[in-house]
Amino acid sequence: GAVVSQHPSRVICKSGTSVKIECRSLDFQATTMFWYRQFPKQSLMLMATSNEGSKATYEQGVEKDKFLINHASLTLSTLTVTSAHPEDSSFYICSASDLGGNYGYTFGSGTRLTVV
Amino acid sequence: ELKVEQNPLFLSMQEGKNYTIYCNYSTTSDRLYWYRQDPGKSLESLFVLLSNGAVKQEGRLMASLDTKARLSTLHITAAVHDLSATYFCAVDLMNYGGATNKLIFGTGTLLAVQP
Repeated sequence: GAVVSQHPSRVICKSGTSVKIECRSLDFQATTMFWYRQFPKQSLMLMATSNEGSKATYEQGVEKDKFLINHASLTLSTLTVTSAHPEDSSFYICSASDLGGNYGYTFGSGTRLTVV
Repeated sequence: ELKVEQNPLFLSMQEGKNYTIYCNYSTTSDRLYWYRQDPGKSLESLFVLLSNGAVKQEGRLMASLDTKARLSTLHITAAVHDLSATYFCAVDLMNYGGATNKLIFGTGTLLAVQP
């Protein structure tokens, strides 16, 4: 079945620094990737959608200059949290889908970000 | 704006009992997903419902979709402790007007099955 690998699984960073999270589709071409954020005891909130080779489309209220998304190839998307602050601490989950919808939405294992 | 609401938000039930989780959504969609999430983990796919009237069953869980009522249900039969988790429905916001499909999640239902 389709597999999406997400790294790192956990990261602790100091306030003001930047953190990069990677999301790779291992056995299919991910034409579209999605990034979600989940606060404790809450649902998943879609942050942005990116198509390979295009600029990401951000959901309302998500700062695109703070959450930089790059989807330069059909197997890799990255989310960079710039100038992180404690309120950015959250569980970030990526998801990937292919053009034909053959693999539906495949989710990564998530990244727990803690900003201290 | 698409709203996806689940109820109940929290469900405590005894082993052996039956119960239903409801998922209501506010826009047209013919595709709905159910996921399970254990604490600290990502999502585990349970069901994909692709058309009106779709019904799928796996073990003690059965999911259905009524696109006209914009309602999906997840029915639990004879619950066991291992089913304790958070369950999410997610609506596929279809590709209208050239926009990319995207998945919008419900509010989630925390299920606690007591022995």
